[in-house]
Amino acid sequence: EVQMLQSGGGFVQPGGSLRLACAASGLSFSTSAMAWVRQVPGQGLEWVSGISGGGINVYYADSVKGRFTISRDNSKNTLFLEMKSLRADDTAIYFCAKGTTTVTADLDSWGQGTLVTVSS
Amino acid sequence: DIQMTQSPSSLSASVGDRVTITCQASQDVRDYLNWYQQKSGKAPNLLIYDASNLKTGVPSRFSGSGSGTHFTFTISSLQPEDAATYYCLHYDNLVLTFGGGTKVEI
Repeated sequence: EVQMLQSGGGFVQPGGSLRLACAASGLSFSTSAMAWVRQVPGQGLEWVSGISGGGINVYYADSVKGRFTISRDNSKNTLFLEMKSLRADDTAIYFCAKGTTTVTADLDSWGQGTLVTVSS
Repeated sequence: DIQMTQSPSSLSASVGDRVTITCQASQDVRDYLNWYQQKSGKAPNLLIYDASNLKTGVPSRFSGSGSGTHFTFTISSLQPEDAATYYCLHYDNLVLTFGGGTKVEI
C-alpha cells in the first residue's frame, strides 16, 4: 500500500522560511514523478511544483517561482519543498502526491496534507 | 497556459439522481485528464484517470468521458456518501492545471 507521510508545516512570519517533507513508502519512489499541490482552506486546488523521478526536471507555478524549491532524496524515499520569502497568500494546506511514471505527475496517491500559516 | 473551466461550481441533487460535471480545456489536452473527489478535511481521491478509466475499487456509478477539449464526469445514481467537491486535473508531464471544482450537495 502506498503511503505518504507529510511533515514540516506550521506557523511562520511573512518573509520567513519553512521546509516541508513527504516520506513515501510502498512504491518505487525513484521511478515516480512527484508534485506539491496546495489548497487555501475552503478554496480550490492549486498546483505548486513538480519533479521527475530522477530529480532532474523541475517545474514551478508562477506564483512560487524563485521562492520555492522542490527536491527529492531517492535514497530516503523523501520529497521536499523548501519555501522562502513566504507571504500571507502562501497560507494553505500543502499536499504531496505521486505520479505513475518517472515524468508524469498524474497524481494517483496523495499525502494527508500539512497546514502552512504565514502571519505576523 | 492551459485553462480548465469546470462547471457548475456547485449543484444540489437528490439521492438516485444522475449528476454531470463538465471540464472544458482552453486547448487540446488529448485524454490527459483525471477526476478527483475531495471530502472535507481530506486529501483528494482519484476516481477517473486518462479521462475515462475507472480506478480500481471505485464504484461503477462514477464514469468519465471526453477527449481533446471537452470532458464529462457523471455519477449515474447519486448516493449520500457522494457529497463532496469534485475536481478535474489536466496533467502535462510535470505541469498541472486543476479545474475550479464542483461542490455536490445531497
